[in-house]
Amino acid sequence: DAMVIQNPRYQVTQFGKPVTLSCSQTLNHNVMYWYQQKSSQAPKLLFHYYDKDFNNEADTPDNFQSRRPNTSFCFLDIRSPGLGDAAMYLCATSRRTGNNQPQHFGDGTRLSIL
Amino acid sequence: SQKIEQNSEALNIQEGKTATLTCNYTNYSPAYLQWYRQDPGRGPVFLLLIRENEKEKRKERLKVTFDTTLKQSLFHITASQPADSATYLCALPDQTGANNLFFGTGTRLTVIP
Repeated sequence: DAMVIQNPRYQVTQFGKPVTLSCSQTLNHNVMYWYQQKSSQAPKLLFHYYDKDFNNEADTPDNFQSRRPNTSFCFLDIRSPGLGDAAMYLCATSRRTGNNQPQHFGDGTRLSIL
Repeated sequence: SQKIEQNSEALNIQEGKTATLTCNYTNYSPAYLQWYRQDPGRGPVFLLLIRENEKEKRKERLKVTFDTTLKQSLFHITASQPADSATYLCALPDQTGANNLFFGTGTRLTVIP
């Protein structure tokens, strides 16, 4: 089945130690998104890629970066994680931007900071 | 940006009854609105999309309405089952046309057998 896969499901890192989360998709979708979701809160969009074009949300901290080396893969890099960055990180895809495009989510990576 | 309110954090109903969840928004009227289901520890799963010119959309036991005058969408699950227990999120696009979504915090539905 075509899907969005996030690895690992659980990640523990130390305060200030860089960490990379990965996402892959077999849907061949143009757009890939990264969301942050804290407990009992709404998913919050960090940034998205439309093909190779990177689009950062205005309030996404500089500490968060992303890479998309090809259509199938996208990475979230947190350069110096703080305690406030502990959250579930969700990757999603959609066929293209514009109306009527549902987003397809992976099951997330839960990040803990020690 | 968009402020989205979903009626309650938690809703408990008896099996077989109809669950009604509310999503209100306060700023611009979006071109469409989406509903997702999220189970604990999982990513959201798309359920339904309704456009601004559609009053109602149905899919099996699910029904969504969209009232742009009231700035509200209602999400109904008829003949509810314990397997319907989950958090339901409404999502609205931003105004850029890029399909970036603002999500509500969700309503956690529990269907009691």
